[in-house]
Amino acid sequence: DTGVSQNPRHKITKRGQNVTFRCDPISEHNRLYWYRQTLGQGPEFLTYFQNEAQLEKSRLLSDRFSAERPKGSFSTLEIQRTEQGDSAMYLCASKEGGNEQFFGPGTRLTVL
Amino acid sequence: AQKVTQAQTEISVVEKEDVTLDCVYETRDTTYYLFWYKQPPSGELVFLIRRNSFDEQNEISGRYSWNFQKSTSSFNFTITASQVVDSAVYFCALSDEYGGSQGNLIFGKGTKLSVKP
Repeated sequence: DTGVSQNPRHKITKRGQNVTFRCDPISEHNRLYWYRQTLGQGPEFLTYFQNEAQLEKSRLLSDRFSAERPKGSFSTLEIQRTEQGDSAMYLCASKEGGNEQFFGPGTRLTVL
Repeated sequence: AQKVTQAQTEISVVEKEDVTLDCVYETRDTTYYLFWYKQPPSGELVFLIRRNSFDEQNEISGRYSWNFQKSTSSFNFTITASQVVDSAVYFCALSDEYGGSQGNLIFGKGTKLSVKP
């Protein structure tokens, strides 16, 4: 299966620790998106890459968050000094051109 | 500003009933896309349909049908003869993409559908 994959699927961390998530998009997709979903809500846009260029960041992406897509393939999302409010499902999606976005299974983050 | 409203938080039906999930959107753009995604208990969002703002034709795919009405800014989703496997959270989403823009999705809060046997 060549869908979008995300690792890890679950992450439990203590407040103040740094965490990093990885997303591997569908191989021919040049666009990659990160979203955050909290319980009972729809996904909210965080940031967007076209190839290796980060072209848009949401106001939700505070200074503690950083995302990279160094070679235009996989992407990482790092959260520094995690807070309990960061607990959420982090979703990655990819697409090619004007087509629909395909989502990965998500990484569920729990900050204790 | 763009916004998607799914007024129905939860719906419960008995198997074989028809059910309609409502979606109302707001946008100032004249060109945009509308989507429906399904999120089963496993958590992964599954793409169901995409419509562009120029195409108001209704669409049917098996037991699923979609009614897009620009005049009321609505994009409703109907499941005919519902089945237990249809139980999931359904999200309506809006994208301003046309041509080369970013295309990030604006989601509603979702409607949780429970289909009981």
